[in-house]
Amino acid sequence: AQTVTQSQPEMSVQEAETVTLSCTYDTSESDYYLFWYKQPPSRQMILVIRQEAYKQQNATENRFSVNFQKAAKSFSLKISDSQLGDAAMYFCAYKAPRGAQKLVFGQGTRLTINP
Amino acid sequence: EAGVAQSPRYKIIEKRQSVAFWCNPISGHATLYWYQQILGQGPKLLIQFQNNGVVDDSQLPKDRFSAERLKGVDSTLKIQPAKLEDSAVYLCASRLAGVYEQYFGPGTRLTVT
Repeated sequence: AQTVTQSQPEMSVQEAETVTLSCTYDTSESDYYLFWYKQPPSRQMILVIRQEAYKQQNATENRFSVNFQKAAKSFSLKISDSQLGDAAMYFCAYKAPRGAQKLVFGQGTRLTINP
Repeated sequence: EAGVAQSPRYKIIEKRQSVAFWCNPISGHATLYWYQQILGQGPKLLIQFQNNGVVDDSQLPKDRFSAERLKGVDSTLKIQPAKLEDSAVYLCASRLAGVYEQYFGPGTRLTVT
């Protein structure tokens, strides 16, 4: 079964600085999808960024970028120029290429932005 | 475009009582998911519907949980009887066919006392 592990329960960063959140996963598949979701106190999960495993190029969305290391099964999220609105729980998630297409989530990392 | 709607937002019940949650997915989204998120953990899939058929309910505690999706649109998730360990946020998500992004609703926070 696929598993996703986030080893940092909490992280903090100064406003305008850069922070990296870690995620590792376990799968026997060669083609799959990885996601980072943000969950603010309102509880609504918001997609931040996605990565297809067949793509070698790391995904980037404005201030958010990933470091995808397929061989190491690592998928970290880098947030540049951190803003107060970035404070939230961040979840790493895995989706298999076939089957029921459910998302398997990690335990989450709580990110605090210090003004 | 309206997002995924869920109600109620909060519910407090005593153990052994029953409770129901409602979800209205984004219009046109054939796939609907119910996730359970226990405090301090990531969401865990309970059940997935494709239109009004069940695709995956392998992690649904069927002795107490049930779900249905009427006419392939709205869905209800029921717990009967509730246990203390059912205290969690219940998230509904929907997805358009051919697209892998899931859109989440605001969730229902259930407290069982």
